[in-house]
Amino acid sequence: SQQGEEDPQALSIQEGENATMNCSYKTSINNLQWYRQNSGRGLVHLILIRSNEREKHSGRLRVTLDTSKKSSSLLITASRAADTASYFCATSNYGQNFVFGPGTRLSVLP
Amino acid sequence: SAVISQKPSRDICQRGTSLTIQCQVDSQVTMMFWYRQQPGQSLTLIATANQGSEATYESGFVIDKFPISRPNLTFSTLTVSNMSPEDSSIYLCSVVGLPGTETQYFGPGTRLLVL
Repeated sequence: SQQGEEDPQALSIQEGENATMNCSYKTSINNLQWYRQNSGRGLVHLILIRSNEREKHSGRLRVTLDTSKKSSSLLITASRAADTASYFCATSNYGQNFVFGPGTRLSVLP
Repeated sequence: SAVISQKPSRDICQRGTSLTIQCQVDSQVTMMFWYRQQPGQSLTLIATANQGSEATYESGFVIDKFPISRPNLTFSTLTVSNMSPEDSSIYLCSVVGLPGTETQYFGPGTRLLVL
């Protein structure tokens, strides 16, 4: 079953702009992860943030987590055409009960 | 990280037949999962493949339709039985690489079309 919603469902931006995607969930978690999927292929893990963390960075990625609002955001800065993909958040509890959000389809136009 | 391969990468099948998908990992892992991703949708967990015992199925998925084997810590199969067009999806195998970690590594997926 799906945890919650991701918004927007689709996002189209110009190369160089920042892209922000949001994810909400319903139950208690111990971590939240973001994944990227290129055109129906396997998913690639981007970043994991634990429930006791509020913000995490990895290269051009910045993830925030607000456990009081049960929400997370993924920011991609200085986007590139190669960032075009679907992005999914996933929640879990200690390596079990993985639940994926519906995803955001990002298009970065050159 | 773990490297995962799946076979076949894609197939076109007739309704009423069955297809077995293989998942091979390059290292021993504790947790292996099977997901279904219907066209344009997110991932839905089918089951957790347990080594040496019956798989643990999520609500809405049953062993008769999706039998799973996991004979060792590096290999698992998922069979899609008595297929119908509604089974047309991408089927993905994933693993949690190391005990105590929570990052999932995914195989490339098997794209199934049922006619």
